[in-house]
Amino acid sequence: GAVVSQHPSWVICKSGTSVKIECRSLDFQATTMFWYRQFPKQSLMLMATSNEGSKATYEQGVEKDKFLINHASLTLSTLTVTSAHPEDSSFYICSANRDYSREQYFGPGTRLTVT
Amino acid sequence: GNSVTQMEGPVTLSEEAFLTINCTYTATGYPSLFWYVQYPGEGLQLLLKATKADDKGSNKGFEATYRKETTSFHLEKGSVQVSDSAVYFCALTSTPNDYKLSFGAGTTVTVRA
Repeated sequence: GAVVSQHPSWVICKSGTSVKIECRSLDFQATTMFWYRQFPKQSLMLMATSNEGSKATYEQGVEKDKFLINHASLTLSTLTVTSAHPEDSSFYICSANRDYSREQYFGPGTRLTVT
Repeated sequence: GNSVTQMEGPVTLSEEAFLTINCTYTATGYPSLFWYVQYPGEGLQLLLKATKADDKGSNKGFEATYRKETTSFHLEKGSVQVSDSAVYFCALTSTPNDYKLSFGAGTTVTVRA
C-alpha cells in the first residue's frame, strides 16, 4: 500500500498558459501533501505543504500566486502553474503523509516544459 | 539552515561490486537521516533511515550509519545487482518529529551485468 500517483507524467505548454498537475493517494488518506520541484542534477526543493481543507504553507521564495495549490480532499491535491514561462520548466514531484506518520510517499513526478 | 551534500555521479559498477555513496550534512539540533531510492519511472521510496547518533539503518542489503562526529551518513552495499540501478538521495529532517525533508542532489548508480 501507500501508492501516490501524479497526472500528467509530462506536459508541454505554451508560455502564458496555465497548467494543472494532480497528485492522488490511491490507497490511503493523506493528512498532508507536499509539492517539490527538481531541477536537472539538483536537489528536490520543497515548494509548499498542504493540508486538506486549509490553505497551503509556502516555502520562502515560492510565489503563492504563481503556484496555486488546492487540497480539496484527503486523496487529492493539485498544483496549478499560472501564466507559465520557460523558467518554470522543471520536474514537479508530490508526496503524501499517511495517518500523521512522518514517512512521506512520493509520486513519480511530472515533467513540465514551457515553450 | 539544513543542507545535505552527497557525492556526484554518475556511478557505474559491475555486478557484485562494492558500492559506497558519501553523504555529509549540516543541521542544527538532532536531525534524522534518510536514504531514498528512485527507480526508473517510479517515485522516491524510503530505503533506510536512522534517527540518532550511531544508529545503523539497513534494508535490501544496504546499510548506513549515523556518524555525528563526522556529520556523515554514507550508504554502502557489499554486492550490487543490476536491479540496484537507480538514483539515490540522502535527506534529513531537523528532528525526528519534523516532516520537512532536505535532500541532497542525488547520485545516479548504474550496475552492469
